[in-house]
Parts: sequence; C-alpha cells; structure tokens
Amino acid sequence: NAGVTQTPKFQVLKTGQSMTLQCAQDMNHNSMYWYRQDPGMGLRLIYYSASEGTTDKGEVPNGYNVSRLNKREFSLRLESAAPSQTSVYFCASSQRGTGTGRAPDTQYFGPGTRLTVL
Amino acid sequence: AQSVTQLGSHVSVSEGALVLLRCNYSSSVPPYLFWYVQYPNQGLQLLLKYTTGATLVKGINGFEAEFKKSETSFHLTKPSAHMSDAAEYFCAVINTGGFKTIFGAGTRLFVKA
Repeated sequence: NAGVTQTPKFQVLKTGQSMTLQCAQDMNHNSMYWYRQDPGMGLRLIYYSASEGTTDKGEVPNGYNVSRLNKREFSLRLESAAPSQTSVYFCASSQRGTGTGRAPDTQYFGPGTRLTVL
Repeated sequence: AQSVTQLGSHVSVSEGALVLLRCNYSSSVPPYLFWYVQYPNQGLQLLLKYTTGATLVKGINGFEAEFKKSETSFHLTKPSAHMSDAAEYFCAVINTGGFKTIFGAGTRLFVKA
C-alpha cells in the first residue's frame, strides 16, 4: 500500500496563477482532508470530505476549492494564488467520519506539497 | 469551541533524559485526544490516542500520555530520550461535532548527545 500520495512535492507559482494539488489514498477510507501548515500555527483545516460526494469548509477555506473526484481522490485548487498561500499542504484520510457516539479514527497523512507563491 | 495549547514551542533534552511535552485542551464535552509526530520533510503520523477507558495510553517508540480530566491535560512522556526522537510533536483534539481535528501549534524536540 502506498497510503496517501500527493503531487507535486514542490511548486513555485506567481501571484495570480492557478494550480491543483492532487491527493489519492489506497486504504478505502471514507473521509479525506486538506490542511495547511505554517510555522508556529500547527495544522489548519482547509476543507474536508466526510464521504464521497460531500465536501465542507474547514477553518481557512478562503481562496481554495476542492473536488472529491471519487472515493480515492481529493483535489485542492487555488484559482488565483496569493503570497499568503505560501505554505506546506497536507492531505489526510481516515477510515470513517466521527459521528456522534463513534470513536474517531486515526488520520493518515501524505508527505506534503511545499508551495511558494511569489 | 475546542482548542489545544502546547506549552513550549521548543524543548531540548539530553540523550537518556526524561521527555515531557505538555498539552492542555479546552472542551465542553469529553474529548478524544491525540499525539502525532512529524519527522523532517514528512507528514504526520500517530503516536497515540485517547478515546475512552484507561487514562494512561501507551504509544509507539516508548511514548505514553495520561489523560487528566481535572487538569484538562494530556502530557506526553518518554522515560529516556533517544536521538531518533528529535522531531516535531503535535497534540490534537476532536471537536464537539466529532469530525474536525484541532491541532496545537506543535513542540519541536531537540535531543543532545
């Protein structure tokens, strides 16, 4: 099993350019997430998908869009990149959503995409 | 709203010494708590988690954490540090809706020879 894979590993954009970060998991997980990691701020949730066909905003969704293409794939799109979006982006997946009364499952993370916006 | 506070952005210990990384949380309902570790240029991986039951939780690589409801704490410990423990550690809590994970800012552990 490859687990969670992300492409690309590195990317440099100019302000205003667009790009899509790809994420795929081969663990048959229902739920997938996109986070950004900035120094001193931990991980902040951008968007998540509790199950195939659904997506919801997280803590910092502005400037991003997502698509849950199928159960395996969850992409993150920057329509018009800004320097404030310079960050490391992580995709994660978990076995199931953590509904009321259900113990949460571990999240499995990809290796990350390091994005610089000039 | 739930939140997580990690005390100390950097902790330095000598090899063989006790490791103590502090985490306090706020939650209006019984929380589910996690510790994740991130090695350089890698994603996060689970060290241990508390959901219900025994409040002392053992994880990988000799780490353990104790859930103390009265202190709203979930501190991470390891009796004897190893050079390979140098990494960044994140405490996390599941929110009241039971879905979104809230991460602390992280504590970078340095281990001196």
